[in-house]
Amino acid sequence: GAVVSQHPSWVICKSGTSVKIECRSLDFQATTMFWYRQFPKQSLMLMATSNEGSKATYEQGVEKDKFLINHASLTLSTLTVTSAHPEDSSFYICSARGREHLPYEQYFGPGTRLTVT
Amino acid sequence: KNEVEQSPQNLTAQEGEFITINCSYSVGISALHWLQQHPGGGIVSLFMLSSGKKKHGRLIATINIQEKHSSLHITASHPRDSAVYICAVMEYGNKLVFGAGTILRVKS
Repeated sequence: GAVVSQHPSWVICKSGTSVKIECRSLDFQATTMFWYRQFPKQSLMLMATSNEGSKATYEQGVEKDKFLINHASLTLSTLTVTSAHPEDSSFYICSARGREHLPYEQYFGPGTRLTVT
Repeated sequence: KNEVEQSPQNLTAQEGEFITINCSYSVGISALHWLQQHPGGGIVSLFMLSSGKKKHGRLIATINIQEKHSSLHITASHPRDSAVYICAVMEYGNKLVFGAGTILRVKS
């Protein structure tokens, strides 16, 4: 149980365009979803936390107008990178937790590799 | 000083060896995660623990809350264990803070 999927697994887009990444919880209702990014040879950094019924909370230094997060339903969260630039190229990973999970539990998606040309 | 320190940063082992990766942290935590990341990038959660010891197959994770230290052990290591192993601590407030990772290579 507690499976999280992401789509697409990789995407290439042109500079200036927007790209949407989906994160789905397949066998539980995700009351909290997290978005992380990982630059090459670096560890994961939390971008934002999205709780059921409320707007996403962004970490310091993350532009909310550039990285739009929508917790559309209890099984789907989307991250839209608007007006993407080459420096946005990164590995984006989501994780999720449901009501039945302990507060410290998080289940990770497989990640989406974004390349902006 | 990082809140989460892992050692070693890089580790090369021969197939069959017993491997230990260490994680020390400086903040109060509610739990600790061990994650595995393969070259393609996908992350697999290996363990979530708040006390004691857990075992899954050839993997064992221990945590000492008083000493703020955790270890991940791999018994009878295999080349398919080659990956980056990441320690992440859950601070009170439920925010994960990640270590830099340990790059493990197991040679046949």
